[in-house]
Amino acid sequence: AQRVTQPEKLLSVFKGAPVELKCNYSYSGSPELFWYVQYSRQRLQLLLRHISRESIKGFTADLNKGETSFHLKKPFAQEEDSAMYYCALRQGAQKLVFGQGTRLTINP
Amino acid sequence: NAGVTQTPKFQVLKTGQSMTLQCAQDMNHNSMYWYRQDPGMGLRLIYYSASEGTTDKGEVPNGYNVSRLNKREFSLRLESAAPSQTSVYFCASSGGTVMSTDTQYFGPGTRLTVL
Repeated sequence: AQRVTQPEKLLSVFKGAPVELKCNYSYSGSPELFWYVQYSRQRLQLLLRHISRESIKGFTADLNKGETSFHLKKPFAQEEDSAMYYCALRQGAQKLVFGQGTRLTINP
Repeated sequence: NAGVTQTPKFQVLKTGQSMTLQCAQDMNHNSMYWYRQDPGMGLRLIYYSASEGTTDKGEVPNGYNVSRLNKREFSLRLESAAPSQTSVYFCASSGGTVMSTDTQYFGPGTRLTVL
């Protein structure tokens, strides 16, 4: 079965510290993975997708097929990064399977 | 463009009551989705519609029905609400071409409480 696991429900780091949000997946084919973010009082929105190999708001995520992981990283956290983060795996033509989410808090 | 809109924003129901959550998008997207968001469970797909006139079950369809009224609108109906359906409901849409990598765009959500 296709699954996405985010092992940390809560993650708290200090401003300026590195941050890593973990995401592991199970999928038999060639995976397409995404990170979505929900800031306070805002809509859930796409942060980045692995296929683009881009850096958005200083965040990057590398697909590691050997470890079946797609961890989200940022070298220096900022207070505005505080949000709920969801890892998602494409399932079929258009469906996404979401992880449980990680609430990231950046302390001043 | 308003993007994806949902009504109502909040609703309180008694067990056994029925209601319909409305969703509309103005991006000319083919695919639309309904999710529920519960603490510790993430987002779970209830139903989706890959194109106008088609609907399919997602991960947690029991207790819900959907209607893809036209390309813009996709409604979710609770025929007999239960406390287990207390949740935040999100509608989303995407361009929806098969095997594309289109982004899903989300609505603001409906917070539903069933007493």
